[in-house]
Amino acid sequence: DSGVTQTPKHLITATGQRVTLRCSPRSGDLSVYWYQQSLDQGLQFLIQYYNGEERAKGNILERFSAQQFPDLHSELNLSSLELGDSALYFCASSFGTENTEAFFGQGTRLTVV
Amino acid sequence: GIQVEQSPPDLILQEGANSTLRCNFSDSVNNLQWFHQNPWGQLINLFYIPSGTKQNGRLSATTVATERYSLLYISSSQTTDSGVYFCAVLIISASKIIFGSGTRLSIRP
Repeated sequence: DSGVTQTPKHLITATGQRVTLRCSPRSGDLSVYWYQQSLDQGLQFLIQYYNGEERAKGNILERFSAQQFPDLHSELNLSSLELGDSALYFCASSFGTENTEAFFGQGTRLTVV
Repeated sequence: GIQVEQSPPDLILQEGANSTLRCNFSDSVNNLQWFHQNPWGQLINLFYIPSGTKQNGRLSATTVATERYSLLYISSSQTTDSGVYFCAVLIISASKIIFGSGTRLSIRP
């Protein structure tokens, strides 16, 4: 158990819908990263937050947004879903932004039908 | 941007064999991690190794930061070692962790 909790584990939804994925970082960790892994693909960086503030953006679509709350949990919102958004979405946390080990949650498997 | 390349992309071995997986990166990095993604999709931390050598049981890793590469050694492979092995590097200036494309390891009984 990495200590990073992601909910839900599985999500099936229809095209055009909106979903929210939740991530609770390890106790004490201030940084949260979000990644997307499509079928048989590598992990694509989406966005990073540190202590409530956005620090970096990767290949995140405009239909996607995220935030980190004062209690440090984070949510990734995906809207106007398309079939191609079906993927495994991972959250990772680390204590800081420099030279600290990152730990990944078990992921949320999103299926858009 | 920085490139992270892993080799080989695929590796099929018999149980009991040894293997070496390589990760090359194109620029200076602040840290490097190795992960194992099991068949259920879970990413498991193997090593946090910005430099030097570490060992954990049958696995060991070496990072030579000045030459921009890292190696993961797996000895006496078991079927449970199957899965995809990723290296990931942290670029502080970019505030992101970049993953290589992975090595898919299949261990045959």
